[in-house]
Amino acid sequence: AQSVSQHNHHVILSEAASLELGCNYSYGGTVNLFWYVQYPGQHLQLLLKYFSGDPLVKGIKGFEAEFIKSKFSFNLRKPSVQWSDTAEYFCAVNSWTGNQFYFGTGTSLTVIP
Amino acid sequence: EAGVTQFPSHSVIEKGQTVTLRCDPISGHDNLYWYRRVMGKEIKFLLHFVKESKQDESGMPNNRFLAERTGGTYSTLKVQPAELEDSGVYFCASSQDNGNYGYTFGSGTRLTVV
Repeated sequence: AQSVSQHNHHVILSEAASLELGCNYSYGGTVNLFWYVQYPGQHLQLLLKYFSGDPLVKGIKGFEAEFIKSKFSFNLRKPSVQWSDTAEYFCAVNSWTGNQFYFGTGTSLTVIP
Repeated sequence: EAGVTQFPSHSVIEKGQTVTLRCDPISGHDNLYWYRRVMGKEIKFLLHFVKESKQDESGMPNNRFLAERTGGTYSTLKVQPAELEDSGVYFCASSQDNGNYGYTFGSGTRLTVV
């Protein structure tokens, strides 16, 4: 079965600091990779996704993620965080043959002004 | 377009009672999914509807959970009788295609069983 590991459960940063959230997955086949974000009181929103092609994908609000196939990783990055990035971030994968997503446990990010 | 709507946003019930959660997907989305997040754990798949048919219900925890989608529009998820371990946030999502390219999620229903 597929699984997703997010290494950081809680991250606290000051504004303008750089962010990197780790995500590793286990699956031997072709996968699609996603990062979702849930801002306080809001629904889960798609931040970015990777299907194929350029392993460096750019999403909304200045976020990007890099797919490293050899490491089964899809880490999320942002060069300079803002207070408004305070949210919970979820890494997720699904396979071309399946219709369900496998999520990590989430990383709670708090950005201090 | 209107998003995925879930009712209620919060529900507190006693152990042994029945609760029904509702999800209204985006209009025209044939695919509807239910997921659940127990506190501190990952968001887990419960089931997937294509129109009114259950495509995959492999994630349903036990027979106390019943999901329906009559007419292929909104869906309900009933828990009867509720147990303490059923507490968590129940997410609904919908997609036009088979979901490989991502879903649109609702805000979730936070269920607390006391």
